[in-house]
Amino acid sequence: TQLLEQSPQFLSIQEGENLTVYCNSSSVFSSLQWYRQEPGEGPVLLVTVVTGGEVKKLKRLTFQFGDARKDSSLHITAAQPGDTGLYLCAGAESGGSNYKLTFGKGTLLTVNP
Amino acid sequence: DAGVIQSPRHEVTEMGQEVTLRCKPISGHNSLFWYRQTMMRGLELLIYFNNNVPIDDSGMPEDRFSAKMPNASFSTLKIQPSEPRDSAVYFCASSPWAANEKLFFGSGTQLSVL
Repeated sequence: TQLLEQSPQFLSIQEGENLTVYCNSSSVFSSLQWYRQEPGEGPVLLVTVVTGGEVKKLKRLTFQFGDARKDSSLHITAAQPGDTGLYLCAGAESGGSNYKLTFGKGTLLTVNP
Repeated sequence: DAGVIQSPRHEVTEMGQEVTLRCKPISGHNSLFWYRQTMMRGLELLIYFNNNVPIDDSGMPEDRFSAKMPNASFSTLKIQPSEPRDSAVYFCASSPWAANEKLFFGSGTQLSVL
């Protein structure tokens, strides 16, 4: 089983601050997805990264896939209360079943106004 | 599109009772997944259907759990008998093709077994 470790587990910041959360593994993934989950709802896909070293931007969110496709980071600039939620990374197995996603346990972000 | 629809949103039951969770995937999606989420273990894949056929049920905890997909628009996850350790949020998700394309999750069923 491929494991994904996310850090930090919890993060509480003030509106306007920048932050970075991490997703690490010893395994190689063919692609990696980031989801945001709000209380009482299911996860919603934010982005998929596929190529090692790839950087994708979604407004104030910047996602990077590691060169070796084992890790990823999510950077948020000027965080807003609406960014509050559980951020999950999920890796698709490399060379295996193309339907299996391994999820990390997530980073719970709270942005205080 | 209404998205993935799950029912009930909340279920409270007593140990030993049968529990049935329901899911309506997004129309046209070929893949359906049942996940369980807990604080300790995060999101775990229980079972995966493709074109209504169970492909991988290796994540189903034990024989007390069963899942069916009688047609492309409906799936159930049944726990019989239920136990307190089954308490979790159960999510259904659907995808147009393979999981590494994109998963659309329902809002989940919060299950509490007393």
